[in-house]
Amino acid sequence: GNSVTQMEGPVTLSEEAFLTINCTYTATGYPSLFWYVQYPGEGLQLLLKATKADDKGSNKGFEATYRKETTSFHLEKGSVQVSDSAVYFCALSDQANAGKSTFGDGTTLTVKP
Amino acid sequence: GAVVSQHPSRVICKSGTSVKIECRSLDFQATTMFWYRQFPKQSLMLMATSNEGSKATYEQGVEKDKFLINHASLTLSTLTVTSAHPEDSSFYICSARLGTAASYEQYFGPGTRLTVT
Repeated sequence: GNSVTQMEGPVTLSEEAFLTINCTYTATGYPSLFWYVQYPGEGLQLLLKATKADDKGSNKGFEATYRKETTSFHLEKGSVQVSDSAVYFCALSDQANAGKSTFGDGTTLTVKP
Repeated sequence: GAVVSQHPSRVICKSGTSVKIECRSLDFQATTMFWYRQFPKQSLMLMATSNEGSKATYEQGVEKDKFLINHASLTLSTLTVTSAHPEDSSFYICSARLGTAASYEQYFGPGTRLTVT
């Protein structure tokens, strides 16, 4: 079956530090890959996505590249802000299975001023 | 665009009662919606796939008679937790699927916090 493995947290960084959250996946087909962000007490918001190999998703300074050879989709940001503090979920969507999503366990990011 | 709402955002009910949670796609039609459950500091667990006009598809281990799902229109799916017990307390999140088979996306509701006393 499909699975997503995320870097364990929590991650604590100082403002303006570089962020990397690792994500690797296992899938039987050719999934689409996503990063979602969840703020306390809220639902998930789509942060960025990539639908095929070598695609780069980007949004709000965050980036992730779909690497088929390493089955990875690592999230990066060059300079984090306090407002980036949240839980980040890596996920894949199985297009062959009605778009069902499989989520990683989430990584809690705390950015200190 | 692509906004999904949930109602209520929080609900407290007594053990043995039933609770209905609504999930609406506000500006698009969704033939497929998903219901998830999230425990504190954990990931989302898919409970079921809600299909407009047909029966929901439940994931293994989810009791379909306890978690009743109805998707009567293209913009509304409901989840009813029947005879709720304290162990049903959780954060329930729905999502609506948008796109084609080439590239589906999910848009998530803000979640409903259920507390069973």
